[in-house]
Amino acid sequence: AQSVTQLDSQVPVFEEAPVELRCNYSSSVSVYLFWYVQYPNQGLQLLLKYLSGSTLVKGINGFEAEFNKSQTSFHLRKPSVHISDTAEYFCAVEDSGYSTLTFGKGTMLLVSP
Amino acid sequence: NAGVTQTPKFRVLKTGQSMTLLCAQDMNHEYMYWYRQDPGMGLRLIHYSVGEGTTAKGEVPDGYNVSRLKKQNFLLGLESAAPSQTSVYFCASSYPGLNTEAFFGQGTRLTVV
Repeated sequence: AQSVTQLDSQVPVFEEAPVELRCNYSSSVSVYLFWYVQYPNQGLQLLLKYLSGSTLVKGINGFEAEFNKSQTSFHLRKPSVHISDTAEYFCAVEDSGYSTLTFGKGTMLLVSP
Repeated sequence: NAGVTQTPKFRVLKTGQSMTLLCAQDMNHEYMYWYRQDPGMGLRLIHYSVGEGTTAKGEVPDGYNVSRLKKQNFLLGLESAAPSQTSVYFCASSYPGLNTEAFFGQGTRLTVV
């Protein structure tokens, strides 16, 4: 079975600062990776996904992630965060042929003025 | 376009009571899923379905049953609720195929006392 590790449970950052949320996954022959965001009291929304090819993936709201096969990582980055980016972020790996997902435990991004 | 709709949104149950959570999607998706979200645990897959009349177990299926009698609906049942089932439950759906986006409902917050 696949596994996903999100190394930080909380990341506090000031508005307009850059941020990186870390994600490592267990190795597999083929890997499909996702980042989802959950705003307070809401469901999950897809930020971006890694298909294949280019290792730099761009998503919504100015986020991007870099797939690094040798380090089995898929870190999420944003060059300048806003207050509205305050949310919980989940890294996930697809672990079956039926699009089931294994999630990390989540990272709470706290953006303050 | 409603997407994925879960009912109810909140519920309090007494230990030993039963209930059914309903998930409905209007996107004609083949695949549907039930996840539970607990603090510090991320989301974990309970059961899933790859088509009308089919169901399969996920990571944490004990204490739950599911049914998919119609393509657009996926029901999650608790026959005898336990305090350990206090959680936020999310339904999701997706098209078949690898690396497809899952669309999530808004969640059902269930408390078992």
